[in-house]
Amino acid sequence: DADVTQTPRNRITKTGKRIMLECSQTKGHDRMYWYRQDPGLGLRLIYYSFDVKDINKGEISDGYSVSRQAQAKFSLSLESAIPNQTALYFCATSDGTGYTFGSGTRLTVV
Amino acid sequence: KQEVTQIPAALSVPEGENLVLNCSFTDSAIYNLQWFRQDPGKGLTSLLLIQSSQREQTSGRLNASLDKSSGRSTLYIAASQPGDSATYLCAVRLNDMRFGAGTRLTVKP
Repeated sequence: DADVTQTPRNRITKTGKRIMLECSQTKGHDRMYWYRQDPGLGLRLIYYSFDVKDINKGEISDGYSVSRQAQAKFSLSLESAIPNQTALYFCATSDGTGYTFGSGTRLTVV
Repeated sequence: KQEVTQIPAALSVPEGENLVLNCSFTDSAIYNLQWFRQDPGKGLTSLLLIQSSQREQTSGRLNASLDKSSGRSTLYIAASQPGDSATYLCAVRLNDMRFGAGTRLTVKP
């Protein structure tokens, strides 16, 4: 099993729909992150969490929310999806040094 | 605000060539720098992690250097192979991790 598992792998949704992306990890790390990747822009941080009771906004949090249900689970929600949220989304974990990434969720909003 | 730049954006080389990928960052107050590899449509695979107190790290044909004072890191790939074709990303960490846009490498047989 992968250290960081993201579901779904691919999703197409309509504008205005609510959608949740899920992430679970078996690394035992306290720190978890959500990034989005757009062509030519690299990865940008959406939200991060240093433990179950800690949630922090990243540089592009508008239009997104997160929930840290347990140490191992961190979900990302788009309350009302819009086309410019079409991107590749990555979850990552860290023990405070290096990062481990999931395989990504490709989200298309039509 | 930390800005991370990678040059060149794309690079094509013949197999067997040694090559250098560059990464620069604007704020030298970092904890570490990490190089990743990303295959098309896939996740990121960590290649090398350099702590702020270190100057370089090596893994097989890969060598990464860090000059914190000048805000630069290089990833050296020796004897490149077609299987090295991928996008290479550098990222610097302070409170969170900031990424460059990557260098897309193509190694031609």
